[in-house]
Amino acid sequence: EPEVTQTPSHQVTQMGQEVILRCVPISNHLYFYWYRQILGQKVEFLVSFYNNEISEKSEIFDDQFSVERPDGSNFTLKIRSTKLEDSAMYFCASRPPGLAGELFFGEGSRLTVL
Amino acid sequence: SQELEQSPQSLIVQEGKNLTINCTSSKTLYGLYWYKQKYGEGLIFLMMLQKGGEEKSHEKITAKLDEKKQQSSLHITASQPSHAGIYLCGARHRNYGGSQGNLIFGKGTKLSVKP
Repeated sequence: EPEVTQTPSHQVTQMGQEVILRCVPISNHLYFYWYRQILGQKVEFLVSFYNNEISEKSEIFDDQFSVERPDGSNFTLKIRSTKLEDSAMYFCASRPPGLAGELFFGEGSRLTVL
Repeated sequence: SQELEQSPQSLIVQEGKNLTINCTSSKTLYGLYWYKQKYGEGLIFLMMLQKGGEEKSHEKITAKLDEKKQQSSLHITASQPSHAGIYLCGARHRNYGGSQGNLIFGKGTKLSVKP
């Protein structure tokens, strides 16, 4: 069964460093998302991406964050200069057209900022 | 106040017992979604409800939507250890624009099933 894959599964970085989290969405999906979950807290929407551009973003998704689909398969989330409060599990999700809200999530990338 | 309130926060049931988890929205719902999350893992889509009075079932899990009350319930019949996990409700509070995947999630209900 097709699935969303994320790498790395866990990354430890120093505060101020740049981090890139990678995702390979399901191949026939057209909408891509990043969510995050700080330990013990809610899953929060960061950004959605469709037709090679951001379609929505939350207040969390500030200038330190960017997303890219550099080729036909990868979808990346970059954090330019990480802060301690960026430590969280980051989930990539995708969905096919027509099924609003039925998102297929990856297993997540745990980011620890020291 | 929270946009989506789930209750209870956690639940421990004996295997074979029925249980219900509730989700209440403070805003108009344009879609209500139930997901399950195992600790430290991704979310798995369970069911989507869009119309008032709608009820859906999958195996032993049934979800209902009361649009007037802006509430949904998730009912598990004859619970099994495989049902254990965190159940999250997610909601769309807009019916237009964007990618329609911008979901607000509740804090989740942690379910443990004792064999």
